[in-house]
Amino acid sequence: NAGVTQTPKFQVLKTGQSMTLQCAQDMNHNSMYWYRQDPGMGLRLIYYSASEGTTDKGEVPNGYNVSRLNKREFSLRLESAAPSQTSVYFCASSEGASGIYEQYFGPGTRLTVT
Amino acid sequence: ELKVEQNPLFLSMQEGKNYTIYCNYSTTSDRLYWYRQDPGKSLESLFVLLSNGAVKQEGRLMASLDTKARLSTLHITAAVHDLSATYFCAVVSANTGNQFYFGTGTSLTVIP
Repeated sequence: NAGVTQTPKFQVLKTGQSMTLQCAQDMNHNSMYWYRQDPGMGLRLIYYSASEGTTDKGEVPNGYNVSRLNKREFSLRLESAAPSQTSVYFCASSEGASGIYEQYFGPGTRLTVT
Repeated sequence: ELKVEQNPLFLSMQEGKNYTIYCNYSTTSDRLYWYRQDPGKSLESLFVLLSNGAVKQEGRLMASLDTKARLSTLHITAAVHDLSATYFCAVVSANTGNQFYFGTGTSLTVIP
C-alpha cells in the first residue's frame, strides 16, 4: 500500500517548455487534489477532482490543466512553463470532497523553471 | 476567500520549554486540521478538530479549537529536538466550497 505517489520528484524546465506531473493513489479515494507550495505562502489549491470524471478550479488555476485519467490517477499539465511556476507541487487524495474527509499527501515534485 | 493566518511564522525555542502556535481564520469553519512537514518531506496529519471546544492531544502536542473566536492553538509542552518541523493549520468551510485553506506555516526549531 503505497498511498499517494508522484512522479517525477525533481524537474528543471526552460521557460516555454511543457510537462505533465503524474499522481496516483491506491486507497480507492474518490477525490484528488493538486497544490503548490511556495515559501511563506503555505499550500494553495490549483485544481481538484471531486470524483472520477469531474475537475474544478481551485485558488490558483491559471497556467495549468488537469486530467482525471481514472479513479487512481490525476495529472497536472503545464503547457508553457513560466518562472512563476517554480514551486513544490503536492498531490493529495481523500475519500470525498465534502471537507469532512482528511487529505493524504504525496511526497511532492520540486519544479524549477529557468 | 477564506484567509488563514498563523503566528509566529518562525519559532526558536529551547528544549524543555512550552510554547503555543496560533491559527486564526476569517470565516465560519466546519473543521480544522493540523499538519507537520519535515524539511523536504510531505505533510503528515497530526490532528482533526471537528467542533467548538474540541481538544486533541498526542504526546507533547495539544491542539484546541474555538470556533467563536475563529482560533485554533497548537501547544507544545516540554519541547524536544524531534519536534523541529514546520506546522500548518488548514481550515475547511462549507462557505468556500469545502476546500482546504492552509496557513502560511510556523517553522519550529528546538535548540538543545
